[in-house]
Amino acid sequence: AAGVIQSPRHLIKEKRETATLKCYPIPRHDTVYWYQQGPGQDPQFLISFYEKMQSDKGSIPDRFSAQQFSDYHSELNMSSLELGDSALYFCASSQRGGWGREQYFGPGTRLTVT
Amino acid sequence: QQQVKQSPQSLIVQKGGISIINCAYENTAFDYFPWYQQFPGKGPALLIAIRPDVSEKKEGRFTISFNKSAKQFSLHIMDSQPGDSATYFCAARSPPGSSASKIIFGSGTRLSIRP
Repeated sequence: AAGVIQSPRHLIKEKRETATLKCYPIPRHDTVYWYQQGPGQDPQFLISFYEKMQSDKGSIPDRFSAQQFSDYHSELNMSSLELGDSALYFCASSQRGGWGREQYFGPGTRLTVT
Repeated sequence: QQQVKQSPQSLIVQKGGISIINCAYENTAFDYFPWYQQFPGKGPALLIAIRPDVSEKKEGRFTISFNKSAKQFSLHIMDSQPGDSATYFCAARSPPGSSASKIIFGSGTRLSIRP
């Protein structure tokens, strides 16, 4: 079965640089979520999109922005990177409607800021 | 404030034993309680989930027990195997109709199964 695809898998950036993370949801999934997981931490919700519209916002810094495109893939843009942004970034997707709506997570992008 | 509290932080169990991880939640509006298994460097993988009108759900060696009145739920792994060694997260999801229903994770339990 197809899974959530994230790219790149690893990314190394310097302070104050920008980074773009991409997420391709499972086919027919219309909702995308972004999470940030620091070392030894639980995943923290950043932002979500449903049908290309932002639907919920968590602890996402103002330096970050995201969008969902017409093909449902999503991009997380991160500017003025800081050392503390080093983390695993997960994308998850789900299909809205019904009780299920399970969120399936991608393999993550490991961002290292030096 | 952690909306989903998980314990223990780490757990060591002998092969063949029962692993038990406990969670408690505050928001009675949560409508779905999944457990995720995560291996190092990998994304969380949905293991098993329960809805609050069910007291127990079993899938293979994995069982969720749910106590709605106490706002607690637990994961039991029977006949624990070395391959079960991973970090386990309990979670809760905000109810339907509330935007995209984000997942709120517990703090995680690092489980090690000794051969």
